[in-house]
Amino acid sequence: GEEVAQTPKHLVRGEGQKAKLYCAPIKGHSYVFWYQQVLKNEFKFLISFQNENVFDETGMPKERFSAKCLPNSPCSLEIQATKLEDSAVYFCASSQSSLRTDTQYFGPGTRLTVL
Amino acid sequence: DAKTTQPNSMESNEEEPVHLPCNHSTISGTDYIHWYRQLPSQGPEYVIHGLTSNVNNRMASLAIAEDRKSSTLILHRATLRDAAVYYCIPGEFTDKLIFGTGTRLQVFP
Repeated sequence: GEEVAQTPKHLVRGEGQKAKLYCAPIKGHSYVFWYQQVLKNEFKFLISFQNENVFDETGMPKERFSAKCLPNSPCSLEIQATKLEDSAVYFCASSQSSLRTDTQYFGPGTRLTVL
Repeated sequence: DAKTTQPNSMESNEEEPVHLPCNHSTISGTDYIHWYRQLPSQGPEYVIHGLTSNVNNRMASLAIAEDRKSSTLILHRATLRDAAVYYCIPGEFTDKLIFGTGTRLQVFP
């Protein structure tokens, strides 16, 4: 499609439960990025993929967060045993290439609330 | 990562020009300067980018200082739809975007 799609729009989990978020990049885009926006203006990069391969995972909390981009499937971000501080809006973005000048197109986000 | 400094907030009246400044004094010689904005309840969207020369597109203009330590995003005629948080993001040789705190622009009718 011509837009990055993210599902679900909202997700509520109790502390300790698993959360799984999905992202369908724009057709033809090779790169997928995940960002976390905790407070209104504070973004944190989590991980990026080039097709199904991890490209940069320097922002990923290792213990509870995992992500995948498999062929012919939406990309996913999974949080095992969610904590209160995981409450945030998670944005996925896609781009055509890895060039510094290339534009990233963002989805509408998934709002995760951990109670 | 290059550090950026932007005003927390700015105001404008509709149909007036807006100049949004950004200081990025630690920018490296080959970093591009990207601007993204986030409209309320939406994901960020690309606005413009440049390296050394001033740039124009249908959304905005970007004026880059000669020493590249600062830049200014120019909205020529602000509309209510331009109310957003604007982020200035110097681009390193990685793909990820490092967002600062941005400038919240309010536009009044």
